[in-house]
Amino acid sequence: QVQLQESGPGLVKPSETLSLTCTVSGGSISGYYWSWIRQPPGKGLEWIGYIYYGGSTNYNPSLKSRVTISVDTSKNQFSLKLNSVTAADTAVYYCARDQKGSTCYDFWGQGTLVTVSS
Amino acid sequence: EIVLTQSPGTLSLSPGERATLSCRPSQSVSSNYLAWYQQKPGQAPRLLIYGASSRATGIPDRFSGSGSGTDFTLTVSRLEPEDFAVYYCQQYGISPYTFGQGTKLEIK
Repeated sequence: QVQLQESGPGLVKPSETLSLTCTVSGGSISGYYWSWIRQPPGKGLEWIGYIYYGGSTNYNPSLKSRVTISVDTSKNQFSLKLNSVTAADTAVYYCARDQKGSTCYDFWGQGTLVTVSS
Repeated sequence: EIVLTQSPGTLSLSPGERATLSCRPSQSVSSNYLAWYQQKPGQAPRLLIYGASSRATGIPDRFSGSGSGTDFTLTVSRLEPEDFAVYYCQQYGISPYTFGQGTKLEIK
């Protein structure tokens, strides 16, 4: 059974960079697309972007200027960087696996709350 | 981007009843690239339905999806206590992939 686990700081200061890593266990990162999705407290879900294990990416235009997603196949990990954060970036951040052949998500991490505050 | 409008915002029903949730995209979703998720408090969403009508692995057959184009429906045929949660639809036909605002299914 594939498992995903997010890790990274839970508190980031305004204007700084949010950095999270998702570690995949129970399966290989190869052959799949991997996504980041976020959910502000009490609100709905927002797709941030995805990366293919080979390195190609696609980002939400609303965040594209601030987002970088990267992959490290040797560690079975992929990462998210979001720069110039504001309070509006406070959210639970989820990593997820894209179901084979589609861009819906069949495995999710538990999510990690990142708060942007000084 | 495609905006998904879910209705109702809240649905109050009793166990054993039938639930019908609606998702209407602002433009036609190609190839029925429409998914449904269930989310319980403090948990990640769980994929229920993909391709508008295909159940994901391990999902009970009381959950069913239907529809096409700009009108999709999630039906729970006979509600169990564990089905009370928030449900989201998602379109993955056109990037950026977008989610609806959610329907809260609560116990009456």
